[in-house]
Amino acid sequence: GENVEQHPSTLSVQEGDSAVIKCTYSDSASNYFPWYKQELGKRPQLIIDIRSNVGEKKDQRIAVTLNKTAKHFSLHITETQPEDSAVYFCAASRGGTALIFGKGTTLSVSS
Amino acid sequence: NAGVTQTPKFQVLKTGQSMTLQCAQDMNHEYMSWYRQDPGMGLRLIHYSVGAGITDQGEVPNGYNVSRSTTEDFPLRLLSAAPSQTSVYFCASSRVAGNQPQHFGDGTRLSIL
Repeated sequence: GENVEQHPSTLSVQEGDSAVIKCTYSDSASNYFPWYKQELGKRPQLIIDIRSNVGEKKDQRIAVTLNKTAKHFSLHITETQPEDSAVYFCAASRGGTALIFGKGTTLSVSS
Repeated sequence: NAGVTQTPKFQVLKTGQSMTLQCAQDMNHEYMSWYRQDPGMGLRLIHYSVGAGITDQGEVPNGYNVSRSTTEDFPLRLLSAAPSQTSVYFCASSRVAGNQPQHFGDGTRLSIL
């Protein structure tokens, strides 16, 4: 089955800096790669997703890149703000299968 | 449109007790799943269902049972609770299985003494 590795487990940045979180996946047939943000005590919420027919997707300060050959994908947050502080999860799946998550990255943005 | 509703929000059990965590969605989603979240372990898949009458095991199914008699409901049963099952449990749903955004419930915080 699918296995998703996520790094780093913790990340501390200064406000205004960029943050990058990286994930690798094992199943070459996976074609859907979402990213979720979870604030303390809340449910995970989708912030951006990418499908295997696209190499990069951007939404304001957030971007995701996908390298199918290397089987890895990354989340990029630019101009970080204190409200970006949260736990971020990457995940992977293919049609008809369950979504498998990485172990998460705790991002701390200090002002 | 309530989305995904989980009950209860909090529960304390004694070792060996049984209970059912409820999950209901009103979006006519075919796919539903259960995850447990433990510190440093991320979200681990317990069981999932691609439609009414169909269920399958995830990464950590031992100690849990599920059934899917209707499209709307996907209850998770703990037959004999153990302290290792202390966790936060999330139910999620999507239109179909696989490459679709998952909608999560608010979670159930379960403590086993």
